[in-house]
Amino acid sequence: GAVVSQHPSWVICKSGTSVKIECRSLDFQATTMFWYRQFPKQSLMLMATSNEGSKATYEQGVEKDKFLINHASLTLSTLTVTSAHPEDSSFYICSAAGGIYEQYFGPGTRLTVT
Amino acid sequence: GNSVTQMEGPVTLSEEAFLTINCTYTATGYPSLFWYVQYPGEGLQLLLKATKADDKGSNKGFEATYRKETTSFHLEKGSVQVSDSAVYFCALSIDGQNFVFGPGTRLSVLP
Repeated sequence: GAVVSQHPSWVICKSGTSVKIECRSLDFQATTMFWYRQFPKQSLMLMATSNEGSKATYEQGVEKDKFLINHASLTLSTLTVTSAHPEDSSFYICSAAGGIYEQYFGPGTRLTVT
Repeated sequence: GNSVTQMEGPVTLSEEAFLTINCTYTATGYPSLFWYVQYPGEGLQLLLKATKADDKGSNKGFEATYRKETTSFHLEKGSVQVSDSAVYFCALSIDGQNFVFGPGTRLSVLP
């Protein structure tokens, strides 16, 4: 089946620094990838939709200058949390569209900002 | 707008008990419906799906039937196992690209 990986799986960073999270589709090409944020014991909140070769589309209330998304190839999208603060600590999950009605999720990245 | 409502958890069951997790939806259009499962510390995995009314999705002993008349997609399993302990998300998609997730229901199965 389709596999999506994320790296790193867990990261701790100091307040004010930036962190990059990678999302890769390992065995298929994904024109569209999605970035979600999940708070403890809560559902997924869509942050942005990432299309290869174009600017990401951000959901209302998501700061595009803080959460930089780059979809440089059909197998890689990156999310950079800039000037991270403790309130950015969360579980970030990416997914890749393998086709219509087929969305494959990565294992998630836990970010802790101290 | 489109939304998904799930029964509040957590749900705690003994092994081999019958499981039902209710899910209802509101949609402008004709959605496909999904159940995803999230094990601790992991991302979501597709459990089953149904694309039209009266379709039954099934996988690993779990079943859910797309009921258009009641706008529901309840998840059932006849005999749960400890390994089924996870968070279950009901979701819908109208266009096949954008998904709307319910709040999730945490299931704990005790031996």
